Formats: sequence, C-alpha cells, structure tokens
Amino acid sequence: QKEVEQDPGPLSVPEGAIVSLNCTYSNSAFQYFMWYRQYSRKGPELLMYTYSSGNKEDGRFTAQVDKSSKYISLFIRDSQPSDSATYLCAVNTGANSKLTFGKGITLSVRP
Amino acid sequence: DTGVSQDPRHKITKRGQNVTFRCDPISEHNRLYWYRQTLGQGPEFLTYFQNEAQLEKSRLLSDRFSAERPKGSFSTLEIQRTEQGDSAMYLCASKGTVQEKLFFGSGTQLSVL
Repeated sequence: QKEVEQDPGPLSVPEGAIVSLNCTYSNSAFQYFMWYRQYSRKGPELLMYTYSSGNKEDGRFTAQVDKSSKYISLFIRDSQPSDSATYLCAVNTGANSKLTFGKGITLSVRP
Repeated sequence: DTGVSQDPRHKITKRGQNVTFRCDPISEHNRLYWYRQTLGQGPEFLTYFQNEAQLEKSRLLSDRFSAERPKGSFSTLEIQRTEQGDSAMYLCASKGTVQEKLFFGSGTQLSVL
C-alpha cells in the first residue's frame, strides 16, 4: 500500500462547478498537509497548507483534513478554466520536511 | 515565480553521457531538496541538504547520482552514465526555518536517447 493514495483521474467539469479532490494516507505520523497545483511542464506550486484537522479556506479553495480517518480534501468553488491543472496532495511528518506526494489528478474545467 | 531557479530547463543527452543540473534556492532558505517526477506520477524524494550537509538520500539515488551544495547556497545534481530510465523531470525545492512549506522550481526535463 502506498503511503498516500489519490483519487484517480482525469476529471472534467463545466465552468462554475464545485470540484472535490481527495487523498488518503496511511501513516498517522503525518502532521502537515499540502495541496500543490502543477501546470504542464512547470514545477508544483503550493496552493494550500494545513497543520491540523479541520478546514482552511483561501478564496475559492478550501482544504479539509480529517486525521481520525486519514483523509484530506481540496474543494474548488466556482471553478474556472484557469484551474485546469494537475493537483497533488502532499504530506510530511515535520521531522525533516520531506514531502510524500500522491500521484496527482488532472483537472480540466470546460468553458 | 517562486524564487527557486533551475538550469537548464531542458536537457537532451545520449545514453552513457554525464549530465549536471543546477538549482538556486530562495536566498534565505537553509534546506534544499531534490525530487524526480515521471509522467503521470507525483514527485519522488531523492535527497536533501541542510546548509551544506547532505542529510538524507533515497534508495532511488543510485551510485550514479551525486548531489552537492558546497557553500550552502546553490546545489548541483550530477547523473553519470545516464540510462533511458533516468528520463524524468528533476525538481528542486527549498524551505526556510519557520514553516513546513516547500517552494519548487520549474524543474529540469531530462530526456535520455
């Protein structure tokens, strides 16, 4: 079993839709949870960063962490064509800041 | 632009050749990480430095790979005797002392023919 499992894609939605992206992890030692966005042929860009269970909101993006079920989610409201990218969840224990990534899911938002 | 720069952006080489990539992290960041990403996969950890000290290397990092960060600033990743399986995007990231946030560069895309 991989340490971080991410829902497979690709995912295609119409503009304005609410998008839900999900990951599960297996190691309860993970304490920091991140979502990165990656455009084609670019490096990952940090989108959301959370430490504890609960929700964190930033504009149209909400990150949700449930440490009891080892489940992390990213919600995108009012999705835009510019949100079309690959979304990667990432976790770390905080011991050495080494990130473990999910496989990534490619999102396409249709105009 | 995150402030982490990598050079070159693209590298095409023939099997058996040596290649070297450079990473310049955000200037005040003491930690520097190298990752490798293949198509359809998330980045995989290779190695990391705190200042000039290399603190951890992944099992993915065979003895053909070597990384340095001689003065605790920029870093180089060298691959000797490249193989076709080395074809991937090589990503560099840096981190400051306070928060657990890694900032990535745009990567070096390596193609081994």
